[in-house]
Amino acid sequence: NAGVTQTPKFQVLKTGQSMTLQCAQDMNHNSMYWYRQDPGMGLRLIYYSASEGTTDKGEVPNGYNVSRLNKREFSLRLESAAPSQTSVYFCASSELWQPQHFGDGTRLSIL
Amino acid sequence: TQLLEQSPQFLSIQEGENLTVYCNSSSVFSSLQWYRQEPGEGPVLLVTVVTGGEVKKLKRLTFQFGDARKDSSLHITAAQPGDTGLYLCAGVTYTGNQFYFGTGTSLTVIP
Repeated sequence: NAGVTQTPKFQVLKTGQSMTLQCAQDMNHNSMYWYRQDPGMGLRLIYYSASEGTTDKGEVPNGYNVSRLNKREFSLRLESAAPSQTSVYFCASSELWQPQHFGDGTRLSIL
Repeated sequence: TQLLEQSPQFLSIQEGENLTVYCNSSSVFSSLQWYRQEPGEGPVLLVTVVTGGEVKKLKRLTFQFGDARKDSSLHITAAQPGDTGLYLCAGVTYTGNQFYFGTGTSLTVIP
């Protein structure tokens, strides 16, 4: 009954470091998404993948890259972390027009 | 610029009071979803409204989709402390694979 699993749950980085956030879903959904959540700004889409093998930019893609490794897994990479990327990151999956299922988030602080 | 604006941003009320949260946009959506998010967790779907003018009830929660499919409202009757949380609306595009989230309404119900 895992749904969407995100790792790690917490991370502290120094400016300029790189890291990859992992996401896996076990619901056989075609679409997967990465969002960031900042106070007063709801959820903003970073990248999404409508199906295995495809990725598209969302509203705030700068500074991020993604990989749809297979149907289950969708990773988000920060190549050179900046303090402005301090946020809570959520991964989600869904089918077309269907509700999104979210992980519990990764809380990322960049010093 | 947020595609969907929610108001109010914060709401603190006494148990038993009624409240309404608004979700407004200049864009038309194929459907609109409402989620609730609790601290440390990802958003969880409450309801999806699909037809312009549609009203859906979920116990003490009433959701309405605007006739023009650009806006929505959430009304809670006799609020309870268990209703405390962050309420998010999300518009679904006609392609079915993009979701635009509102800015969020943080509700606190005081016992």
